[in-house]
Amino acid sequence: SAVISQKPSRDICQRGTSLTIQCQVDSQVTMMFWYRQQPGQSLTLIATANQGSEATYESGFVIDKFPISRPNLTFSTLTVSNMSPEDSSIYLCSVSGQGYEQYFGPGTRLTVT
Amino acid sequence: DAKTTQPTSMDCAEGRAANLPCNHSTISGNEYVYWYRQIHSQGPQYIIHGLKNNETNEMASLIITEDRKSSTLILPHATLRDTAVYYCIAYNTNAGKSTFGDGTTLTVKP
Repeated sequence: SAVISQKPSRDICQRGTSLTIQCQVDSQVTMMFWYRQQPGQSLTLIATANQGSEATYESGFVIDKFPISRPNLTFSTLTVSNMSPEDSSIYLCSVSGQGYEQYFGPGTRLTVT
Repeated sequence: DAKTTQPTSMDCAEGRAANLPCNHSTISGNEYVYWYRQIHSQGPQYIIHGLKNNETNEMASLIITEDRKSSTLILPHATLRDTAVYYCIAYNTNAGKSTFGDGTTLTVKP
């Protein structure tokens, strides 16, 4: 299994600003994923981030709004840009294990006012 | 990923077995069945997965029907701490990503 930490654990941000969320893994992993979980809903995949290549975004998510960095095999960041109240969600990163199971971080709870 | 269908909610008495069903009638031959759970305010937790054989680990058992169109996650002795949303996913390892449905909210009652 993998141990994943995220920073910050929560934040309250003003409309129009940006927030960068960090995800740190305790071991080297190839694939990392970023999810969004809106209040009371299931998880929605934002993008897949592989080290050394551009992130692959899912339908409805664009790089200008959610730029992702993946500088090495243990770290990734997700930026939520030009935030609006609709971006208020929990943002989760995850990694794949050897059996393709996913391990998730504790999440970052974002509130946009 | 094949679509999965789960009941919206279920109750279980503490100490009894919790049996959570999942329908995945369109599952393809190379798709595995994965189960996760999400306890309130936490990230999802991996539970178990399987292809066609029944599987058991320290957390749960997974029973997959012979035609692979449905499966059941069994928590043998449910505790109050097992109260969570349980997600069943049919996952294509070649696709490299998981699609989460709405899951089943399991409430374990004293």
